[in-house]
Amino acid sequence: QSALTQPASVSGSPGQSITISCTGTTSDVGSYNYVSWYQQHPGKAPKLMIYDVSERPSGVSNRFSGSKSGNTASLTISGLQVEDEADYYCSSYTGSSPHVLFGGGTKLTVL
Amino acid sequence: QVQLQESGPGLVKPSETLSLTCTVSGGSVSSGSYYWSWIRQPPGRGLEWIGYISHSGSTNYKSSLKSRVTISLDTSKNQFSLKLSSVTAADTAVYYCARGVFSGRYEARLDVWGQGTTVTV
Repeated sequence: QSALTQPASVSGSPGQSITISCTGTTSDVGSYNYVSWYQQHPGKAPKLMIYDVSERPSGVSNRFSGSKSGNTASLTISGLQVEDEADYYCSSYTGSSPHVLFGGGTKLTVL
Repeated sequence: QVQLQESGPGLVKPSETLSLTCTVSGGSVSSGSYYWSWIRQPPGRGLEWIGYISHSGSTNYKSSLKSRVTISLDTSKNQFSLKLSSVTAADTAVYYCARGVFSGRYEARLDVWGQGTTVTV
């Protein structure tokens, strides 16, 4: 199975908005609304930030939002804060076993 | 609040079997709504899905690892385990256990993660 495609890095200034894309195929992102996004700070475990394309778990800031169009899902972070600097990974259900795909990860730098 | 904790040797010799256990507290591995997963992250690289086991014992493994991986469940201890045989240096990574949530029959998300354990081959 091929990984989902994410940009290697994105950057933004405090207060700005950024968007991270996650491109799959009609076998995964394009056919299922089971896209999730994870935030990982250095040396820490990943944390679920968005699930089912656009749902936020309890306790996650509403500055984080998700969307999908065709085979591409997106994570938008508005009002960037220094603490948002981290790696972000997307994941999607896929119709072929073992049913889970990760993206390669995107490093967000808050300048 | 559900918590997961990985345990096992931090150093494994080449060609031997890596064995890790994930202990679940605050919840039950017998719950039908969840799947119990292993993910790894080689140094400086991204997340790699290894596989999972459901409450019923059914398993699903990444195809490239399938011949070397076994994930098992111990409901009496509320634990699940990973065995990876014939390891090489390429298996050096931080290994995470995580709870997955089914949405219907779909593997939808990983909502609780362990802190991770470093394994060096």
